[in-house]
Amino acid sequence: DAGVTQSPTHLIKTRGQQVTLRCSPKSGHDTVSWYQQALGQGPQFIFQYYEEEERQRGNFPDRFSGHQFPNYSSELNVNALLLGDSALYLCASSLGPLYSTGELFFGEGSRLTVL
Amino acid sequence: GQQVMQIPQYQHVQEGEDFTTYCNSSTTLSNIQWYKQRPGGHPVFLIQLVKSGEVKKQKRLTFQFGEAKKNSSLHITATQTTDVGTYFCAGNNAGNMLTFGGGTRLMVKP
Repeated sequence: DAGVTQSPTHLIKTRGQQVTLRCSPKSGHDTVSWYQQALGQGPQFIFQYYEEEERQRGNFPDRFSGHQFPNYSSELNVNALLLGDSALYLCASSLGPLYSTGELFFGEGSRLTVL
Repeated sequence: GQQVMQIPQYQHVQEGEDFTTYCNSSTTLSNIQWYKQRPGGHPVFLIQLVKSGEVKKQKRLTFQFGEAKKNSSLHITATQTTDVGTYFCAGNNAGNMLTFGGGTRLMVKP
């Protein structure tokens, strides 16, 4: 039973570029949440996808966008990268209808460095 | 917006000593979750508390949810080197968005 998988694990971009990060949720999970974790800080909620729609969004600008596919996998896109976007991007999957809460299963993350 | 604060930020203990981290929310929570992140790793779920005043135990770990459902604590008895990592609380409000605290980094000296 595969857990949450993310790709790529590491990447380096320059300011102004765009990046796409990918996530496959744990088998059977239908909800995907994305978090940004800066060094030494707690994960910050970006957004959550369920049934291919963005259902919840944290305090992140429109440069951050996402998508969920029919197989529940998800992408996070960040445009016009800034130095401050350097962080570990975590994908978390969960099971059940949107408005129930439960355990989040996190992937290993994608570490983005913006130069 | 909702804020979740954790103290202390860092804690050094001698192996065998106890450890406690505290979590406070600016708003009343529907539930609270605790996660552990090992150095270089990803957060791993430990437990969820839902009821006011709830206390749950997992071996040497004791979790409490405050009566007002705005604060929580994690206590580890007789720490071991395997307890090293950062412990995060994550509060869930009526909007069903998990807000993580800044974490408490635990270091254990053997």
